[in-house]
Amino acid sequence: DAGVIQSPRHEVTEMGQEVTLRCKPISGHNSLFWYRQTMMRGLELLIYFNNNVPIDDSGMPEDRFSAKMPNASFSTLKIQPSEPRDSAVYFCASSSGTRNEKLFFGSGTQLSVL
Amino acid sequence: SQQGEEDPQALSIQEGENATMNCSYKTSINNLQWYRQNSGRGLVHLILIRSNEREKHSGRLRVTLDTSKKSSSLLITASRAADTASYFCVPGIINTGTASKLTFGTGTRLQVTL
Repeated sequence: DAGVIQSPRHEVTEMGQEVTLRCKPISGHNSLFWYRQTMMRGLELLIYFNNNVPIDDSGMPEDRFSAKMPNASFSTLKIQPSEPRDSAVYFCASSSGTRNEKLFFGSGTQLSVL
Repeated sequence: SQQGEEDPQALSIQEGENATMNCSYKTSINNLQWYRQNSGRGLVHLILIRSNEREKHSGRLRVTLDTSKKSSSLLITASRAADTASYFCVPGIINTGTASKLTFGTGTRLQVTL
């Protein structure tokens, strides 16, 4: 298996633009997590899904952020409009089986909003 | 808070020495996981210990869990320069939902020098 695949690896955009981050979880995994990492705030859980259904989105910073999981093999995290403070590394992770199983992380998307 | 708190925040040792990192948490758990993050990269799962286990080994890693004290420790024996990374503990919180919220603390930054 290729592991969790995130795209793009790097994204540079201007303030006010829409940004879409993509994630393909490991086949057969039924839970998917989105995290954001910055030096100041560390690794924050934004939202997670189970069987394509959002379970907890309390970590989503504001209405500018939205996440979808239309099927078991694809998820998106969208920021509209983007702001410089959104600059961070965004990680997607997936897990399988029962609750609390180990997470497999993607390589992350480095987002820079100018 | 549902996340673990790692201690110390930073640790510097020489190659060949053992490194011990501690984790405390506040709620009842199903299990506890440890992850490693090399600088600028994604996180890698190291080991998972279940709430009914007291100790677990994996190669040079030894993890202990004391649920009465709500604490865990990660021991890396005979450290190598390649062990230089940040280490995170993630408590698997008991809940009645279909998937559990897995949150990360600030981690322990381990530096192994030659």
